[in-house]
Amino acid sequence: AQSVTQLDSQVPVFEEAPVELRCNYSSSVSVYLFWYVQYPNQGLQLLLKYLSGSTLVESINGFEAEFNKSQTSFHLRKPSVHISDTAEYFCAVSDRGDYKLSFGAGTTVTVRA
Amino acid sequence: EAGVAQSPRYKIIEKRQSVAFWCNPISGHATLYWYQQILGQGPKLLIQFQNNGVVDDSQLPKDRFSAERLKGVDSTLKIQPAKLEDSAVYLCASSPHTTGSSYNSPLHFGNGTRLTVT
Repeated sequence: AQSVTQLDSQVPVFEEAPVELRCNYSSSVSVYLFWYVQYPNQGLQLLLKYLSGSTLVESINGFEAEFNKSQTSFHLRKPSVHISDTAEYFCAVSDRGDYKLSFGAGTTVTVRA
Repeated sequence: EAGVAQSPRYKIIEKRQSVAFWCNPISGHATLYWYQQILGQGPKLLIQFQNNGVVDDSQLPKDRFSAERLKGVDSTLKIQPAKLEDSAVYLCASSPHTTGSSYNSPLHFGNGTRLTVT
């Protein structure tokens, strides 16, 4: 099973500032990569995914993540955050054909006015 | 499309008691997962079903945890007897994929059941 490391447990950020959440995984074999977001008292919602093709993937609400195979990373970025982006963010990885997600410990993003 | 339904939303029990959680996946989804999310940690896979068969239960503490998915639809997860360290959110997820199929849809998660063992 994959091991996933999210390097920051807490990220405070001011509204309209950029944010980057770092994620590294253990194996260089072919993988699928995901970012999930969890709002308080809710389940996990898919934010974006990398399956194949372009290494830069985007979500509909302004987040983007870049797959870097040589560094086994999948960092998440947003150039300008909103208060509503306050949530916990989880990076997840699965081996291709496996569909079993291994999750990082999560990064709590708190956006302040 | 209705989402993954879980009940109850919250449960408080004393240690050594038993508890059961229920999950109704999205209609037509062949694969169902139970994850345990301890406070401050990421979700950890407990068991994976494909239709009504177990694909992976290597992380399930079988001395106290059991799960079943009768008829390949709903699933129940049971803990008996519960320990303090079982306090967590139990998440159910479903997916239309089966092993070897092409991947074009992510896992869909329910809102979870928050268990507190006192």
